[in-house]
Amino acid sequence: NAGVMQNPRHLVRRRGQEARLRCSPMKGHSHVYWYRQLPEEGLKFMVYLQKENIIDESGMPKERFSAEFPKEGPSILRIQQVVRGDSAAYFCASSKGQGHEQFFGPGTRLTVL
Amino acid sequence: QQQVKQSPQSLIVQKGGISIINCAYENTAFDYFPWYQQFPGKGPALLIAIRPDVSEKKEGRFTISFNKSAKQFSLHIMDSQPGDSATYFCAASPIPMNRDDKIIFGKGTRLHILP
Repeated sequence: NAGVMQNPRHLVRRRGQEARLRCSPMKGHSHVYWYRQLPEEGLKFMVYLQKENIIDESGMPKERFSAEFPKEGPSILRIQQVVRGDSAAYFCASSKGQGHEQFFGPGTRLTVL
Repeated sequence: QQQVKQSPQSLIVQKGGISIINCAYENTAFDYFPWYQQFPGKGPALLIAIRPDVSEKKEGRFTISFNKSAKQFSLHIMDSQPGDSATYFCAASPIPMNRDDKIIFGKGTRLHILP
């Protein structure tokens, strides 16, 4: 029973490029959450999605960031025109439903050169 | 009001000692208080959680103490072992969660157990 899967585990981009981070939730989970973790900081909520719906994107920067969770396939966090400040670890979590325990993936470490 | 304040930022404990990490919150709507453990290069994993209807919850060497009136809760690790060295996050959320509710995390405590 695989856990939450994220890929790539490490991603290096130059300023101005696009970063695509993928998250496959645990089997049977239809709720996905994205978090960002900066060094020496806690986890900051970014966005909460269900299949084909964005439920809460209050933690997402208004520009350059977008997320989707299509009917088929993984959830995608997309960062356009990356800047150095986007360098962080991005974690995805999934749950059976809102209020249920969230299980975290191993994260994608994005480095922007 | 949505913050969860965690201290200390880092902690060094001798093997066999007791590690204590403290958290405080403001939002009285918070009703669920989990602790997560994160090893380097890994995602956070749920360690233990408490609801405010009890003042203490124990699982093995890990104990959560909860003080509802003070709006504080703490994690105690008894007989700390080098394998406990990790970053620990406290968190809080309402239960049940409405559409706009979310889990709020503390900034983390980096625990190092000396062998």
